Amino acid sequence: NAGVTQTPKFRVLKTGQSMTLLCAQDMNHEYMYWYRQDPGMGLRLIHYSVGEGTTAKGEVPDGYNVSRLKKQNFLLGLESAAPSQTSVYFCASSYSREQQPQHFGDGTRLSIL
Amino acid sequence: GNSVTQMEGPVTLSEEAFLTINCTYTATGYPSLFWYVQYPGEGLQLLLKATKADDKGSNKGFEATYRKETTSFHLEKGSVQVSDSAVYFCALMRSQGNLIFGKGTKLSVKP
Repeated sequence: NAGVTQTPKFRVLKTGQSMTLLCAQDMNHEYMYWYRQDPGMGLRLIHYSVGEGTTAKGEVPDGYNVSRLKKQNFLLGLESAAPSQTSVYFCASSYSREQQPQHFGDGTRLSIL
Repeated sequence: GNSVTQMEGPVTLSEEAFLTINCTYTATGYPSLFWYVQYPGEGLQLLLKATKADDKGSNKGFEATYRKETTSFHLEKGSVQVSDSAVYFCALMRSQGNLIFGKGTKLSVKP
């Protein structure tokens, strides 16, 4: 009964390094989302997917790429990390567009030095 | 475009006090509206929702009514507890299914 699992929970990177954040859900959900949370900004959508093999841009997609090769996984990549990408990243999933709530993971705290 | 505005915090209350957190929205049509809660170190959890005008969402003593006349969805609780201390987010759902969040309101309840 894991729900939405994010890996890793914490990470520190140097500017210019790359990394991938993994989101896995075991609820057979079609829709998956990546948000970032910054102080005083609420959550903002980075990218989302409406099914296996699909991705779409959200509000703040620049500097990120995503892939949805398997229905249960949604990967968020930073090709060349920048200090402005220091944030807490949340993954979410839902069965359909109409069905809420979105199930959220516990977050990944990422610091870029 | 779509947006959500909620009252700035932090809000500090004594236990058993009445809580109101204001939320107004701008959107095309009548989107579904939500309140989420985030406890320290955790992800967001759905607190309550309303999918059409005049609907009242409720959960754990919290209530919010979808008011299309005032484009508002204010969160209320009659008697807060220390365990209600958290950050509360108002949100609306876009046509693509993703959520637009307000900036969050931090609530601290003192014993």
